[in-house]
Amino acid sequence: KAGVTQTPRYLIKTRGQQVTLSCSPISGHRSVSWYQQTPGQGLQFLFEYFSETQRNKGNFPGRFSGRQFSNSRSEMNVSTLELGDSALYLCASSLGTGTTWGTDTQYFGPGTRLTVL
Amino acid sequence: GQQVMQIPQYQHVQEGEDFTTYCNSSTTLSNIQWYKQRPGGHPVFLIQLVKSGEVKKQKRLTFQFGEAKKNSSLHITATQTTDVGTYFCAGRFGNEKLTFGTGTRLTIIP
Repeated sequence: KAGVTQTPRYLIKTRGQQVTLSCSPISGHRSVSWYQQTPGQGLQFLFEYFSETQRNKGNFPGRFSGRQFSNSRSEMNVSTLELGDSALYLCASSLGTGTTWGTDTQYFGPGTRLTVL
Repeated sequence: GQQVMQIPQYQHVQEGEDFTTYCNSSTTLSNIQWYKQRPGGHPVFLIQLVKSGEVKKQKRLTFQFGEAKKNSSLHITATQTTDVGTYFCAGRFGNEKLTFGTGTRLTIIP
């Protein structure tokens, strides 16, 4: 079974631009979560999508948004980029269904390394 | 918001020595998961603990979940160079999102 894939792997943008990152979950997984990882803040939860609906949201400004498509693929968008948005953005997929979703294992993708200049 | 605290932040050990990282929460967790992230890599799931007082072993790794389900530990016996990386705990409060600890970065001195 193919793992979680994220594109692009590396991205360089300038302040004020916007960016869209893509995540394809493991086949059969319906939940996709996004995390921001920085050396100082660790792994910060952005949001989780399940069946095209946002199920949980972290404490990030509205510049960070996401969506999920009917095939469970997900995108996240960051508008008006700031220098502090430079980070590794990780997506994780899980089954996300039924009564076991609270104990789901998360499978992480390789991440997208975003650098904002 | 609810937080999961993890200590220590860094740990340097001689190869062959033991290593332990601890996670603590002020409120009860429904379950806790442990992940390992190798340098330059992404987090990889190690194990999940659900029951109060649960202990699980994976070869040289021993995972514990406290009786009150507020703390957890990961202990590695006789570390090897392959154990290098950052170990994260991730706790879930009820059916909310997974909350990651800050991680413990383990380096091994050969």
